[in-house]
Amino acid sequence: GESVGLHLPTLSVQEGDNSIINCAYSNSASDYFIWYKQESGKGPQFIIDIRSNMDKRQGQRVTVLLNKTVKHLSLQIAATQPGDSAVYFCAEKPSGNTPLVFGKGTRLSVIA
Amino acid sequence: GAGVSQSPRYKVAKRGQDVALRCDPISGHVSLFWYQQALGQGPEFLTYFQNEAQLDKSGLPSDRFFAERPEGSVSTLKIQRTQQEDSAVYLCASSFIGGDGGEQYFGPGTRLTVT
Repeated sequence: GESVGLHLPTLSVQEGDNSIINCAYSNSASDYFIWYKQESGKGPQFIIDIRSNMDKRQGQRVTVLLNKTVKHLSLQIAATQPGDSAVYFCAEKPSGNTPLVFGKGTRLSVIA
Repeated sequence: GAGVSQSPRYKVAKRGQDVALRCDPISGHVSLFWYQQALGQGPEFLTYFQNEAQLDKSGLPSDRFFAERPEGSVSTLKIQRTQQEDSAVYLCASSFIGGDGGEQYFGPGTRLTVT
């Protein structure tokens, strides 16, 4: 499949370590945030979401943190595995009938 | 169950040709979205349907881009007189909930290359 991103920021981690991927969002009116994982040749896959009335949400091996004061979102992946290698996008949704706005993405490379 | 499917997966068009990209959403999903993803970038919103109604087409870059979903299921994105800057991956997503608040399920995309 085609490469998703050739010039993206890259985070390299050892297998088994924890990963933290950061995202700065732009719109203080955004009230819904999503992290997506995109593997080469595939569409984005939903990982976890969070609403603006929360500052932390946990899933299976993943945690999303939201800091509305500085408009910062992070995705933490515990015990990173080779299958986690992909490009990760954050997306924000301003309130009202407005579309999702995706960030630029970070490539996560897991070293076995 | 079957996810969102898109066809063709790859399309090469000469500049000036018209192309039609198809999206088959998950059965029963009310909302359907089209996005354009340039290499190295995140997806950018093009247009949104709720059933057969096109409620938002604010992201369509020019009047050469046209989308339809006549029966509220399959959707087609048509690009007329393709230009090199139209080269990108075109992603379709669907969600069960009406409005644009539901979780969106993405298809694999159609990679369009305009030569």
